Formats: sequence, structure tokens, C-alpha cells
Amino acid sequence: SAVISQKPSRDICQRGTSLTIQCQVDSQVTMMFWYRQQPGQSLTLIATANQGSEATYESGFVIDKFPISRPNLTFSTLTVSNMSPEDSSIYLCSVDGTGTVYNEQFFGPGTRLTVL
Amino acid sequence: KNEVEQSPQNLTAQEGEFITINCSYSVGISALHWLQQHPGGGIVSLFMLSSGKKKHGRLIATINIQEKHSSLHITASHPRDSAVYICAVRWTGTYKYIFGTGTRLKVLA
Repeated sequence: SAVISQKPSRDICQRGTSLTIQCQVDSQVTMMFWYRQQPGQSLTLIATANQGSEATYESGFVIDKFPISRPNLTFSTLTVSNMSPEDSSIYLCSVDGTGTVYNEQFFGPGTRLTVL
Repeated sequence: KNEVEQSPQNLTAQEGEFITINCSYSVGISALHWLQQHPGGGIVSLFMLSSGKKKHGRLIATINIQEKHSSLHITASHPRDSAVYICAVRWTGTYKYIFGTGTRLKVLA
């Protein structure tokens, strides 16, 4: 299966600062996804990141708050900007291997963010 | 109403018990995932199903496409199985996943 790593695995940040989360895949994939899991909630899709184009954001999420980069087919970053305690969540990267030898979706281990 | 319903929400079992977690969804899907989330937050993909049944060690996952239902079974449960189990489905014709709210399992020694 595809191997996905995320950095950092967890962080504690101060209100008003920004954090960039990295997602690295061990193979080339077209579509990468960023999800958020707030405490006690299920995961919610933030945006879809395709290489070479702007990320597509879901309702309720905006680029100014969650800028995303996708510089190549194996890497993406999600920045949580101007953080508040409400941003305390697990952020999860996933990739879609459809059309590759894997033909399924894979999930990263997640980044646990606490905002004080 | 959530499009993906899991039951039970919470489950406590004694070590060695056979455990079943259920997932129901409302529309046609192209894939269903079972995920395991440990208290530290890390998420592991257990199974991806589009039909039938899969087995890995003590874990068995089944899906009934007609009934829009999937089950995750754990045989000979162990305290290390304690985690949140999440069902995620991808609607037919899309690449997006919808997640259930999870089943919190606690296995007592």
C-alpha cells in the first residue's frame, strides 16, 4: 500500500500563530485531500489538492484560513492560519490511488493540533 | 441525519469476546473504508471494501451493497483493540469520503 507520512505528528500552538502541516507520499498520486476532525466529531473534508492547480475548498473552509500547496505529485502542505482554540483538531491527509496499482484511498496518521 | 450511521456509538467488552460494529449508509457507494483511531489520534486504514468480505488476522469486514450495510467483526478481542473504529464511504461518481462518527470500543482485561 501507499505510505503516507505527516509532520508534525502533534503540536501545541499559541493563539494567532500559524502552523504548516506536511504530507508526504511514497508514490505519485493525482489527488490529495485534507480533512479535519474536531474533538468528538467525525472527519470533515477541508479541500482537495491537485498538482498544478488551485485547491478546491469545501463549504465553510476558505483559502485565507487554510492555504494549501501542492508542488509535486508526492507532497502537499496545509497551513492553519491565525489560529484560535477552535482550530484544535486532528488534521488528516489522504491520497487517492485510483488508476494506480493501488486503486484505493489511503490515509495518513494525522496531526494533532492544540491551540492555547 | 448523518449520511453514514454507525452503531453502537460506545461498546465495552470483556477480553475474548466477539465484537461487531455496524455501518449503514444512504446512497450508492463505490468504496467503504474501516479505519482505526487510537487514543493518540493516529488513524490506520484497516480495510477497503467494494463488495464481499475481507479478513486480516482477527478482523473481518463484510459489506452488503444491496442493503447498504457493512460490519466490522473482531474475534477474540484484546485490550489492545481498544480504539475508535470509523466507517468512511465514497459516493458513486465522486472522490470524496463521508465519515461516520465512530464507535468507541473498550476491551477490558
